[in-house]
Amino acid sequence: AQSVTQLGSHVSVSEGALVLLRCNYSSSVPPYLFWYVQYPNQGLQLLLKYTSAATLVKGINGFEAEFKKSETSFHLTKPSAHMSDAAEYFCALRGGGSNYKLTFGKGTLLTVNP
Amino acid sequence: GAVVSQHPSRVICKSGTSVKIECRSLDFQATTMFWYRQFPKQSLMLMATSNEGSKATYEQGVEKDKFLINHASLTLSTLTVTSAHPEDSSFYICSAGAVRRDDTQYFGPGTRLTVL
Repeated sequence: AQSVTQLGSHVSVSEGALVLLRCNYSSSVPPYLFWYVQYPNQGLQLLLKYTSAATLVKGINGFEAEFKKSETSFHLTKPSAHMSDAAEYFCALRGGGSNYKLTFGKGTLLTVNP
Repeated sequence: GAVVSQHPSRVICKSGTSVKIECRSLDFQATTMFWYRQFPKQSLMLMATSNEGSKATYEQGVEKDKFLINHASLTLSTLTVTSAHPEDSSFYICSAGAVRRDDTQYFGPGTRLTVL
């Protein structure tokens, strides 16, 4: 069975501070991992993805994530938070094969304080 | 590239009526489309998976006679909420993926359904 755990349903940072959103996964097959961002009343936008190539993945808007197999983690980071980063962030896992089905974490709401 | 649209973005209907939501992949052919439901401040709940030309596969607990899904072409899937009731009010999001493109689901902007 596959699962995704996002530690911290709510993370609050100051503008300019480091952003760290945690994601741990469980999968019986080599995983594909994704981070999506959702702004209020909108769909999900892909931030970045890991698909078994480089373990450090760079995404849009200055975000990056590192795949650590030994820790079964895929934490999302950004060196300096911007007010526009305030949103809900979802980590998702896809198992192997041609099935695109995703398993989502419960999400982390990021607030950025001025 | 990889743009997915949904229509309408917002719909209000009376209890007992049916509502159709369209999901289109605008710049690629989607072999697989997904329909999700999202309750306020919660994660996405997968309702069903549809492959072009095949019957949709519904997740456990989702009523297939209530939520009719049609994936008639490689760029269009529709979700029809039949005999809608207030408890069907929710945010519905579709996504699309294509084997020959990459390994990613691309999401539509969502449809807010309110049943009075």
